[in-house]
Amino acid sequence: GAGVSQSPRYKVAKRGQDVALRCDPISGHVSLFWYQQALGQGPEFLTYFQNEAQLDKSGLPSDRFFAERPEGSVSTLKIQRTQQEDSAVYLCASSAGTEGPFSIYFGEGSWLTVV
Amino acid sequence: EDQVTQSPEALRLQEGESSSLNCSYTVSGLRGLFWYRQDPGKGPEFLFTLYSAGEEKEKERLKATLTKKESFLHITAPKPEDSATYLCAVQAGAYKGTASKLTFGTGTRLQVTL
Repeated sequence: GAGVSQSPRYKVAKRGQDVALRCDPISGHVSLFWYQQALGQGPEFLTYFQNEAQLDKSGLPSDRFFAERPEGSVSTLKIQRTQQEDSAVYLCASSAGTEGPFSIYFGEGSWLTVV
Repeated sequence: EDQVTQSPEALRLQEGESSSLNCSYTVSGLRGLFWYRQDPGKGPEFLFTLYSAGEEKEKERLKATLTKKESFLHITAPKPEDSATYLCAVQAGAYKGTASKLTFGTGTRLQVTL
């Protein structure tokens, strides 16, 4: 597709349930990022992939959060045993390069509400 | 630690009333400074990337400038459709051949009225 695609757009999970959020980056984009955005705040970094390699996971808030990108294209962010504080928008972004002049494009986000 | 501070938090303008949004940053080895527009319920929409002090970029009524400590987003003769939250983010230097994360400010909520 023309842009970064995320699914589901909206997810309501019961506390303790596992969720999986999918990201389809722009075709051919090497770099892929996951961010978490709370209401009224700027996005906060979670993790970064270069192709299939997860090079930075310093922003993942706990070991309940796990991300993968096995074939260097589609990525999945998994949250185990969800808690209310996990309620947020999860944004995926991709870019064509790793350094030098390039732009980073975001998807529309997956809105997670934990009840 | 990289830090980004945006001001003002909120700005209300009348249509045609030009103004500027500020983004102050502290970063070790700036690789790029990014401006995004975010509408309610949407993901951030890319506007500009600036790479070095003195650089300027323009798009329609928007013009972004960069110094060694801050960036400005100038809005000339705004229209109601320019109402949105404008986010600034910095990308610091990283190991050659890899990208690095963006650190965002909390944004400026702009409202343009008739």
